[in-house]
Amino acid sequence: AQSVTQLGSHVSVSEGALVLLRCNYSSSVPPYLFWYVQYPNQGLQLLLKYTSAATLVKGINGFEAEFKKSETSFHLTKPSAHMSDAAEYFCAVRVQGSQGNLIFGKGTKLSVKP
Amino acid sequence: GAVVSQHPSWVICKSGTSVKIECRSLDFQATTMFWYRQFPKQSLMLMATSNEGSKATYEQGVEKDKFLINHASLTLSTLTVTSAHPEDSSFYICSGPVAGPYNEQFFGPGTRLTVL
Repeated sequence: AQSVTQLGSHVSVSEGALVLLRCNYSSSVPPYLFWYVQYPNQGLQLLLKYTSAATLVKGINGFEAEFKKSETSFHLTKPSAHMSDAAEYFCAVRVQGSQGNLIFGKGTKLSVKP
Repeated sequence: GAVVSQHPSWVICKSGTSVKIECRSLDFQATTMFWYRQFPKQSLMLMATSNEGSKATYEQGVEKDKFLINHASLTLSTLTVTSAHPEDSSFYICSGPVAGPYNEQFFGPGTRLTVL
């Protein structure tokens, strides 16, 4: 069965510091992986996706993620945090053979301190 | 990217009443839409898959008679919470996959339901 694990329910960084949000997946087949951001009381916005074309994926707002098969990881990074990055971040894997529905991790809340 | 809208964005209702939530794909056709539920400070859990012209597929543990789903057209899916109770209070989010190699999901803004 496919699953996603996000380590750390809450991450706090200072403005300008590196952001690292961790995601590990479990899948018996090459997965499609996604990172979404959710601002309070809003829906989800796609940050980036991995679809096997390239292991280093660049997304919006300066975020990127690297797919590492040997580590079954897809960690999200941003070199320099901005106050506007404070939000909830979800890692997700597309269910194999489905019409596209996703299994989400529990989410990581990112706080950015001035 | 594609746009999905939801209406209403928030609703407060009394226990025992029914509430209908609409999910519309504004610039693409969706034969399938997904309905998720999100409890406070928790992740999204898939409730059901809405299929245009046929019955919805519900995830295990989701009551079909309580959460009625209708996919009337290629751009509209509705979720009706029947005989709502306070424990049904949650954030409901729909999404629609855009046809392509990855069936990328586009999410609506969500509907906050509060049952008094």
